[in-house]
Amino acid sequence: NAGVTQTPKFQVLKTGQSMTLQCAQDMNHNSMYWYRQDPGMGLRLIYYSASEGTTDKGEVPNGYNVSRLNKREFSLRLESAAPSQTSVYFCASSALAGAPYDQFFGPGTRLTVL
Amino acid sequence: DAKTTQPTSMDCAEGRAANLPCNHSTISGNEYVYWYRQIHSQGPQYIIHGLKNNETNEMASLIITEDRKSSTLILPHATLRDTAVYYCIVRVRDTNAGKSTFGDGTTLTVKP
Repeated sequence: NAGVTQTPKFQVLKTGQSMTLQCAQDMNHNSMYWYRQDPGMGLRLIYYSASEGTTDKGEVPNGYNVSRLNKREFSLRLESAAPSQTSVYFCASSALAGAPYDQFFGPGTRLTVL
Repeated sequence: DAKTTQPTSMDCAEGRAANLPCNHSTISGNEYVYWYRQIHSQGPQYIIHGLKNNETNEMASLIITEDRKSSTLILPHATLRDTAVYYCIVRVRDTNAGKSTFGDGTTLTVKP
């Protein structure tokens, strides 16, 4: 089992460019999440999907869109990248949303917007 | 979800127990206490969770006070590889509730 995989690992964008971060899990989990982590800070929830076909906003959704493509895949799109979106992006999954179901995290995508 | 408060940083000698405190004074009855850690720039790793009873697994022990307003994560014999940022969060028991807030955590440095 690969667990949670994310692509790409690194990305550099220019202001105004768009891109999609991909996330996939092979644990048959229902719930998936996108977080961002700025230097020296904790994780902040961008969007989550409690189950296939549903998505909800987290703490910091502005500037992002998500798609729950199927049960395995959850993508995060930046339509017009801004320097403030320079961050490390983590995807996570859990069997169901909320406790007591543990979240499993991917290795992260390091994004720099110039 | 209830907010948590943790010290910014702590040191621990290698081989000694590391005791990491967390305050969650506004926790409600259907919220669990979770601990994760993040080593360097890797994705966070689950450690342990509990509702009201003390819990132990192969990685750590979790002690929750009787009033549930605070808890302590115990790493019984800290090693250099336990140097990481440790996050205490609370998560509600609700299958539609995806939101859980990670604060800034405690940076634990294990010293030789």
